[in-house]
Amino acid sequence: GAGVSQSPRYKVAKRGQDVALRCDPISGHVSLFWYQQALGQGPEFLTYFQNEAQLDKSGLPSDRFFAERPEGSVSTLKIQRTQQEDSAVYLCASSLGQGLANQPQHFGDGTRLSIL
Amino acid sequence: RKEVEQDPGPFNVPEGATVAFNCTYSNSASQSFFWYRQDCRKEPKLLMSVYSSGNEDGRFTAQLNRASQYISLLIRDSKLSDSATYLCVVNIDDMRFGAGTRLTVKP
Repeated sequence: GAGVSQSPRYKVAKRGQDVALRCDPISGHVSLFWYQQALGQGPEFLTYFQNEAQLDKSGLPSDRFFAERPEGSVSTLKIQRTQQEDSAVYLCASSLGQGLANQPQHFGDGTRLSIL
Repeated sequence: RKEVEQDPGPFNVPEGATVAFNCTYSNSASQSFFWYRQDCRKEPKLLMSVYSSGNEDGRFTAQLNRASQYISLLIRDSKLSDSATYLCVVNIDDMRFGAGTRLTVKP
């Protein structure tokens, strides 16, 4: 497709389960970003990839969060032993160039994660 | 103190009104600035970049004041379709989003 694609659109899991969220960026986009957006808040940065290299993971809230982009295209965000506070919308964005300066980001629709 | 702060609103204005949003940022090393728009339960979409000299795109005008670490967005002749949340975004080492300002334009 032409845009950033995320799946699943909605995910409900029980506390303690592991979840995996997928992001398929725009073809050819070098940079890929993950964000967490809580209700009524702006997106919070989680991590950033340039091709397959994870250049910044400073926003990951705990070691239960893990992201990968092994072939420099599709990325997976994994959350282990989910907690209720992990409930949020997880947004993926991609941009064409390297680095962040003056690069518009194109967002996917997000995955709405609910932990029961 | 949050790195990017916005008035959360909501701003409720009639069609045709002019409305202005403000945003302040704390890190003077910030490199680039954007306004994004987010509709309810949708993804953020780039509205416009913000340049030091100020820039205009149709009814939208963005201003940057580096000395005061302040960004603004002005919407003239507001339309019903402008109703959304407007996110101020500042690029430091990564993109930092404000919490957003909610705008409702009423007939």
